[in-house]
Amino acid sequence: DAGITQSPRHKVTETGTPVTLRCHQTENHRYMYWYRQDPGHGLRLIHYSYGVKDTDKGEVSDGYSVSRSKTEDFLLTLESATSSQTSVYFCAIMGSSNEQYFGPGTRLTVT
Amino acid sequence: DAKTTQPPSMDCAEGRAANLPCNHSTISGNEYVYWYRQIHSQGPQYIIHGLKNNETNEMASLIITEDRKSSTLILPHATLRDTAVYYCIVRASSGGYNKLIFGAGTRLAVHP
Repeated sequence: DAGITQSPRHKVTETGTPVTLRCHQTENHRYMYWYRQDPGHGLRLIHYSYGVKDTDKGEVSDGYSVSRSKTEDFLLTLESATSSQTSVYFCAIMGSSNEQYFGPGTRLTVT
Repeated sequence: DAKTTQPPSMDCAEGRAANLPCNHSTISGNEYVYWYRQIHSQGPQYIIHGLKNNETNEMASLIITEDRKSSTLILPHATLRDTAVYYCIVRASSGGYNKLIFGAGTRLAVHP
């Protein structure tokens, strides 16, 4: 499973509150990714990181920010949660052959 | 990345081989074929990938046609736990920005 954990696994929050999701990996992978998955849309890339303090936007980055101060941790922050950000969030790392390994996901509900 | 076409659903009896096809007629020379699956409510799982030679690992075999325009993922002895959505993705295997584009995939149902 490439040693990927996500926390929390489930969260319910109110509109307008900030939320931070954590992705932790234990195998020193350089590339890390945040995706969201919604019915009818499949997986969509939010942000990715190619090293400590090196991040870039994906296709659905509005309303999200990320930080990577250590190789092992990649944080996703919803600055002011909205109902449209209710989703399942997956973190992933890239392996040695460009394959990606995914975490177990975080189910976020914004009420 | 080249577009892929997969059947929307397939059935397989437990213990039999599941053969999942994928068409990728516009694949270019430097693009690999990757297979992932997603079991309900879990994160996607990498299965196998290949360029032009057939590949086998502990999970599955990948057969790529000589012209590379199609491939087949083979689960040799399907179990109920193999029920999932299977995704075929074609992309260049080079470093950098590696967004995965998941299509609709094939929903495989393994039945007793």
